[in-house]
Amino acid sequence: GAVVSQHPSWVICKSGTSVKIECRSLDFQATTMFWYRQFPKQSLMLMATSNEGSKATYEQGVEKDKFLINHASLTLSTLTVTSAHPEDSSFYICSAIAGESGYGYTFGSGTRLTVV
Amino acid sequence: SQQGEEDPQALSIQEGENATMNCSYKTSINNLQWYRQNSGRGLVHLILIRSNEREKHSGRLRVTLDTSKKSSSLLITASRAADTASYFCASRSNDYKLSFGAGTTVTVRA
Repeated sequence: GAVVSQHPSWVICKSGTSVKIECRSLDFQATTMFWYRQFPKQSLMLMATSNEGSKATYEQGVEKDKFLINHASLTLSTLTVTSAHPEDSSFYICSAIAGESGYGYTFGSGTRLTVV
Repeated sequence: SQQGEEDPQALSIQEGENATMNCSYKTSINNLQWYRQNSGRGLVHLILIRSNEREKHSGRLRVTLDTSKKSSSLLITASRAADTASYFCASRSNDYKLSFGAGTTVTVRA
């Protein structure tokens, strides 16, 4: 089946630095990718939707200048957390769908970000 | 994205028993999906039910959908210790976004 590879699985960074998280679709072309954030014992909150070759669409309350999303190819989307602060510590998960089916959502394994 | 409600928040059952959890959503949907998440891991797709379907089965899973009440239920029969996880419903609207419920944490005791 479709696989989305997400890296790194965990990262610790210092306050003020930037962290990049990658999601790659391994055996299909992902025209649309979604980025979620999940705080401990909570549900997934959609941050943004990225479409290949166009600007990402951010959900209300998500700072686009802080969470930079790039979807430069049909197999790669990246999320960069800029000037990270401890409150950005969270579990970030990407998901991808292929084409217009809207049925096959595949999730990455997630990235645990800890900002110290 | 809007977050739906799920109940119960937590469920503890004995191995072999059935686990039932419910989910409500807020807007009209194209389909509703259920996912499992083990602690600190990504999501695993379990089952999808389309808006024009009322019930669906997959192995030990049974999902129902009531669009008039904007609700769904997931039943896991003959539970096993390996079913211990958090379960989330996710409603898919016409813009392809998934809106997740609050989740139910299921603990299956051996």
